[in-house]
Amino acid sequence: QVQLVESGGGVVQPGRSLRLSCAASGFTFSRYAMHWVRQAPGKGLEWVAVISYDGTNKFYADSVRGRFTISRDSSKNTLYLQMNSLRAEDTAVYYCARVYREGAVTTMILRGYFDYWGQGTLVTVSS
Amino acid sequence: EIVLTQSPGTLSLSPGERATLSCRASQSVSSSYLAWYQQTPGQAPRLLIYGASSRATGIPDRFSGSGSGTDFTLTISRLEPEDFAVYYCQQYAGSPVTFGQGTKVEIK
Repeated sequence: QVQLVESGGGVVQPGRSLRLSCAASGFTFSRYAMHWVRQAPGKGLEWVAVISYDGTNKFYADSVRGRFTISRDSSKNTLYLQMNSLRAEDTAVYYCARVYREGAVTTMILRGYFDYWGQGTLVTVSS
Repeated sequence: EIVLTQSPGTLSLSPGERATLSCRASQSVSSSYLAWYQQTPGQAPRLLIYGASSRATGIPDRFSGSGSGTDFTLTISRLEPEDFAVYYCQQYAGSPVTFGQGTKVEIK
């Protein structure tokens, strides 16, 4: 069965860095684009970043562009999010999610719905 | 970007009642690329509906989605205790993908 397990969250001071990981299993990781989505405490869902199946295409939300970097290691079936220059407003639960779109070849999909989600990892930015 | 507005913010209903949730887009969502998710406290979102009206694997048939263009609806025909949760719509027609702000379905 498909599993996504995030790790790496914690408490960090403003301006510092943190790297999140998402370990994938139960599917051919190298054939799917992957996303990060976050949720601030008591708030709704916010898309953060996407990486294509082969890592060649990456896109970011305006709120994190230039500070966050998404990457993947298909030999380890792992997705990453490097977060630099963290701000209080980055405090959130961060979810990794697999993307799919009906009728499309998986390697052609960057944008779609999220059929599998991890359990999330909490990042708290506070002094 | 496409802005999604969900209404109402909170829906207070009793088990067995029908729930109707609305999601309105700021511009047309092509190909009905609209999904719905359910989220219970402390849990990740769960995919319910994709393509505006197709149920995801394992989703009970009391959940149904409809709509096109800019107006979409999620209907829960008879609320079960486990259905009291927050529901989000998401569009994947435009870039970036965006979510609505959520509708909370609470027990009356």
